[in-house]
Amino acid sequence: QQQVKQSPQSLIVQKGGIPIINCAYENTAFDYFPWYQQFPGKGPALLIAIRPDVSEKKEGRFTISFNKSAKQFSLHIMDSQPGDSATYFCAASNSGGSNYKLTFGKGTLLTVNP
Amino acid sequence: NAGVTQTPKFQVLKTGQSMTLQCAQDMNHEYMSWYRQDPGMGLRLIHYSVGAGITDQGEVPNGYNVSRSTTEDFPLRLLSAAPSQTSVYFCASRGGGRETQYFGPGTRLLVL
Repeated sequence: QQQVKQSPQSLIVQKGGIPIINCAYENTAFDYFPWYQQFPGKGPALLIAIRPDVSEKKEGRFTISFNKSAKQFSLHIMDSQPGDSATYFCAASNSGGSNYKLTFGKGTLLTVNP
Repeated sequence: NAGVTQTPKFQVLKTGQSMTLQCAQDMNHEYMSWYRQDPGMGLRLIHYSVGAGITDQGEVPNGYNVSRSTTEDFPLRLLSAAPSQTSVYFCASRGGGRETQYFGPGTRLLVL
């Protein structure tokens, strides 16, 4: 049972474009939704995260949109740059479980062409 | 702070061999986890620990053992390596009451 479904698997955009990565979850107990960014040969690093009490969160060029009723959330990257080329993972966890055990999506490989 | 460190960076094993992947963190974090990353599969939780002396299984625990004798260290043991364990392994840690997980640089394991 895949609790967090992520799409697309891969995405290619031109510099300045706005890539959008989507995730859907099933467990309504999830209450923390982070996005991780991973460069080749490196470990994932937290990029931005949201809780379900807000519908949108912005940090610099990165925005999370959250739709609680649809159980979906998405990452938008404004004015994308070649340096944004990486694999992006969405994740979800239930803080009520006390250990914030993360369930990850399968990842999206983003390529931003110059 | 070195953060989360992992050794070795790369290892080749033969089927049936055993080895230990090392993980250490210097942030005094309570929570530590091991994940494996395979193409198209994302990150899957192998084992985790909520403190010294306390461990539990994740999504894919078979073939792996862990122990947590100190806050800093969380080694992952492969008792009898199999080709299906060829993967990239990441250790992560998180402070109590905090949400952000910090990942190590990974260990790439090839089992022949």
